[in-house]
Amino acid sequence: DIVLTQSPATLSLSPGERATLSCRASESVSTYLAWYQHKPGQAPRLLIYEASKRATGIPARFSGSGSRTDFTLTISGLEPEDFAVYYCQYRANWPLISFAQGTRLEIK
Amino acid sequence: QITLKESGPALVKPTQTLTLTCTFSGFSLRTTGEGVGWIRQTPGKALEWLAIVFWDDDKRYNPSLRNRLTVTKDTSKNQVVLTLTTVDPVDTGTYYCAHSPTVTVAFDAWGQGTLVTVSS
Repeated sequence: DIVLTQSPATLSLSPGERATLSCRASESVSTYLAWYQHKPGQAPRLLIYEASKRATGIPARFSGSGSRTDFTLTISGLEPEDFAVYYCQYRANWPLISFAQGTRLEIK
Repeated sequence: QITLKESGPALVKPTQTLTLTCTFSGFSLRTTGEGVGWIRQTPGKALEWLAIVFWDDDKRYNPSLRNRLTVTKDTSKNQVVLTLTTVDPVDTGTYYCAHSPTVTVAFDAWGQGTLVTVSS
């Protein structure tokens, strides 16, 4: 089974700074990789799909990159509302879907 | 605009069967390429994909829960139903349904979630 690993587990930054979140797959998932933002008490929100495509309504400060086994979510210029938990999710060997364990982005 | 809403019991006893309904609007499961998935989050844990059903009635399940899960669709009612048998306190958590078109196979619209507690 493919295992997704996110790093770091927790990232402490200040508003205005740049956040770089990593997601690594144990085997190639091509570009079938999505990123979500999850805040307490809310439903997760799709940010990025197919590794680099921004979902509808997502601000341009969110960007995704990578392919095969290494992926990155970058948030350039953190806003106060960006502090949340972020998950990557893959689709590979269809029809298997899996989420990684998440990165908590907290205010420093 | 796509909306989804989960409904079902808030409290279930151990060993019972949990049945959750997702009622959606803004798309149809009669339309090629459309799908609805179920995802849960148990306390302190990450999101966990459970199951997905597509317009052509193709159904897929998380292998670790495959023998306990069933997902069905009712296109006339715009509903998807998830059943989880033999529940245990570890199944306590928030259950979400979400829209998943095959073109992306990402979950691009989510319900608000429903909290289910498994306790005697």
